[in-house]
Amino acid sequence: DTAVSQTPKYLVTQMGNDKSIKCEQNLGHDTMYWYKQDSKKFLKIMFSYNNKELIINETVPNRFSPKSPDKAHLNLHINSLELGDSAVYFCASSLTIGNTIYFGEGSWLTVV
Amino acid sequence: SQELEQSPQSLIVQEGKNLTINCTSSKTLYGLYWYKQKYGEGLIFLMMLQKGGEEKSHEKITAKLDEKKQQSSLHITASQPSHAGIYLCGADRKSGGGADGLTFGKGTHLIIQP
Repeated sequence: DTAVSQTPKYLVTQMGNDKSIKCEQNLGHDTMYWYKQDSKKFLKIMFSYNNKELIINETVPNRFSPKSPDKAHLNLHINSLELGDSAVYFCASSLTIGNTIYFGEGSWLTVV
Repeated sequence: SQELEQSPQSLIVQEGKNLTINCTSSKTLYGLYWYKQKYGEGLIFLMMLQKGGEEKSHEKITAKLDEKKQQSSLHITASQPSHAGIYLCGADRKSGGGADGLTFGKGTHLIIQP
C-alpha cells in the first residue's frame, strides 16, 4: 500500500559502475521528483517531471539521467558512479505542481 | 535563492517535556511544509501552512506560520520516544508553488530521553 515506492532501498556498488533506482507512485499524481540528501542530511531537488515531461533539471552532472516511461514511474539512472554520489536519493510525487509533496522511503547509495 | 534556517540543529529533550523547533526564512514563505524523517527512513509529511498567522495541529504537534510569513515553528507537547527523528521544514520557492519542488532547511535532530 506504499504510496511512493523506491527500489532498491540499499545499494552498494563500485566506482565506475552504472546503476538505476526505480520509483513508482500509485497516487495518480502528475508530478514526480528526485531529491538527493547528502551526508549532512541536506535535502536538495535534482529533477522534476510533470506528465512525463522534464520540467526542472537542477545543477546535476549529466551522468544522472532520469527517465519517466509513464506518469506513475520516474527512474534515475546514474552512469560512471563516483564516490561523491554516495547519498540517499528520495523519489517524491505531488498531485500536480504546487501541491503537497509525498516522499518515498529513500534509496541509500554507497559507492566504494 | 531562498534559504531556510532551522534551529536548533539538534535537541535532546526528556520524555514528557515540551519543545519547539523554528524555521526562518529571509524571504516570504510560500507554502511552508513540515516533514519528519525517522533515522534510516523516508520523509513523512506532517503539515502544510500557507496563510500568515495560520496554525495547525495534529495529535501533539502544532505548527504555526507567523503573520509576516517568514518564520514557522513546530511545537511538540508532552514529547514521546516516537517523536524522535529529524524534522525538516520545506518551502515553495514561489507563490503558487513551482515545478522545482521545495527548498529545505538542514533539519533538526530530535532525541527523546526516557
